[in-house]
Amino acid sequence: SAVISQKPSRDICQRGTSLTIQCQVDSQVTMMFWYRQQPGQSLTLIATANQGSEATYESGFVIDKFPISRPNLTFSTLTVSNMSPEDSSIYLCSVANSNQPQHFGDGTRLSIL
Amino acid sequence: GNSVTQMEGPVTLSEEAFLTINCTYTATGYPSLFWYVQYPGEGLQLLLKATKADDKGSNKGFEATYRKETTSFHLEKGSVQVSDSAVYFCALKAGGGADGLTFGKGTHLIIQP
Repeated sequence: SAVISQKPSRDICQRGTSLTIQCQVDSQVTMMFWYRQQPGQSLTLIATANQGSEATYESGFVIDKFPISRPNLTFSTLTVSNMSPEDSSIYLCSVANSNQPQHFGDGTRLSIL
Repeated sequence: GNSVTQMEGPVTLSEEAFLTINCTYTATGYPSLFWYVQYPGEGLQLLLKATKADDKGSNKGFEATYRKETTSFHLEKGSVQVSDSAVYFCALKAGGGADGLTFGKGTHLIIQP
């Protein structure tokens, strides 16, 4: 399966700032997704990153708060904007081809002070 | 909407005990079903999958059978080991390749020697 690298692996940020998380895959993939895992909770899909077009967001998530880029078939970024303590979570990137299962990166552990 | 319900833990067993982690789902159509595992300090890994009714997914001694009549996908293992201690997530993908996953809340499994 594809090797997925997420950066940074963890960060501590001040409220009101923004952080961009990168997801790099070692091979071209059709689909890339971003999830959030809040403390003690399950994973929730934020959006599907579409190559060359705007991301598709799930209910409860908006582009102004979580802008996403996907300039090519191996790379995507998620920005968490104007952060508050409620944004403290693990953010995960996943990738898949066609009808194959999704594979996940190791995640970015984000703490907001 | 789609949802996954799984037994919440922690589940504590002795080594060599029989394991069952229950998972039921609600979805339109015919979803694909997955079990993912998160070992301590590691990322989320695909454990097994099933894509249609009566399919049995298996890996590392774990099994799960897609039961459409009971909308279930229970995870089983005949003899657990200490190294199986992890958090297990049941998940579904309702549609085609572009759909993200809907996860259960996760079950923390603790195996004691």
